[in-house]
Amino acid sequence: SYVLTQPPSVSVAPGQTARITCGENNIGSKSVHWYQQKPGQAPVLVVYDDSDRPSGIPERFSGSNSGNTATLTISRVEAGDEADYYCQVWDSSSDHWVFGGGTKLTVL
Amino acid sequence: EVQLVESGGGLVKPGGSLRLSCAASGFTFSGYTMNWVRLAPGKGLEWVSSISSRLNYLYYADSVKGRFTISRDNAKNSLYLQMNSLRADDTAVYYCARVMVRGVIGAFDIWGQGTMVTVSS
Repeated sequence: SYVLTQPPSVSVAPGQTARITCGENNIGSKSVHWYQQKPGQAPVLVVYDDSDRPSGIPERFSGSNSGNTATLTISRVEAGDEADYYCQVWDSSSDHWVFGGGTKLTVL
Repeated sequence: EVQLVESGGGLVKPGGSLRLSCAASGFTFSGYTMNWVRLAPGKGLEWVSSISSRLNYLYYADSVKGRFTISRDNAKNSLYLQMNSLRADDTAVYYCARVMVRGVIGAFDIWGQGTMVTVSS
């Protein structure tokens, strides 16, 4: 089955750039979506189809996907960006949605 | 305002049943594929089930297949999840979520606030 691997945690100072990876063999051939979830709140879509942003999401959030790794990049990180981030893909071989294990972003 | 509101969660004993509902408003519910996703305590997001707008596609995670049934009533703008043979590891916050495109596969752009299901004796 398809397994998306994310680092459990990423730490970054305010104003710096955070990069959160999502790995799986040939993930570059799939569309990857990214969600932000803060404690006690519903997930929020921050990037879809590898690199598109929904309306209302700051340009500081961007995505890329190539080869075996998709990456969510958050530029000029703010304290309010502290959250869990999840990647997601559709596995057509099993007709299942798959989420990565999640990455906790800590703003130092 | 586009909105999804879940209800029906609660405390249930192992082996018991529960039916979750999700009321949609602010958009043409009948045109969108809908999903259930859960978040167990201390765990990550887990997709549970999907149902297409015309009910011709139904998908389930292996962990719930044969125990959970997804359904919808487009006339009532409502999504449902019938959960039978509940186990302790089904304990989670359950979210309904909309697929952002008018197709079966796409990102989940609208989420409800979630409803808590606790399975415990």
